[in-house]
Amino acid sequence: GENVEQHPSTLSVQEGDSAVIKCTYSDSASNYFPWYKQELGKRPQLIIDIRSNVGEKKDQRIAVTLNKTAKHFSLHITETQPEDSAVYFCAASEAAGGYQKVTFGTGTKLQVIP
Amino acid sequence: EAQVTQNPRYLITVTGKKLTVTCSQNMNHEYMSWYRQDPGLGLRQIYYSMNVEVTDKGDVPEGYKVSRKEKRNFPLILESPSPNQTSLYFCASSFRGLGTEAFFGQGTRLTVV
Repeated sequence: GENVEQHPSTLSVQEGDSAVIKCTYSDSASNYFPWYKQELGKRPQLIIDIRSNVGEKKDQRIAVTLNKTAKHFSLHITETQPEDSAVYFCAASEAAGGYQKVTFGTGTKLQVIP
Repeated sequence: EAQVTQNPRYLITVTGKKLTVTCSQNMNHEYMSWYRQDPGLGLRQIYYSMNVEVTDKGDVPEGYKVSRKEKRNFPLILESPSPNQTSLYFCASSFRGLGTEAFFGQGTRLTVV
């Protein structure tokens, strides 16, 4: 089955700096890669996603890059703000016909220091 | 308001006492799924359902059952809970198919003593 590794497990940055979180996956059949943000005591919420036919996607201060050959994808947050402090999860999903399975990474706790 | 609702939010139970955690969504989503969240392990998929009467195992299905008799509901059943099932559980739903956002419920914190 799919295995998703996520690094680092914790990350502290100064406000205004950039943060990068990296994930690798094992199953070349995975074709959808979402990122979720989970604030303390709350549910995960989608912040950005990318499909396997796209190399990069950007939404304001966040961006995701995908390297299918190397089987890795990364989340980039620029100009970090205190409200970016949360746990971030990457995921790899395979959806085809009657099959749809999602595997999450173990999470990165991001702390933005004012 | 579009939402995924889980009940109960908190539950303390004893080993071996059957319990059910309910999950309901009002977005007409075909796909529903259950996850457990444990420190250092992230979110692990327990079971998922592609549509009514169609369910399949995720990565950690042992000790759990599910059913999907109606499109909106996807209950998680623990027939004989054990302490290693103490965890935070999330239900999620989405439209079926590639690249669809999963909407999560608010979570159920289960403690088995």
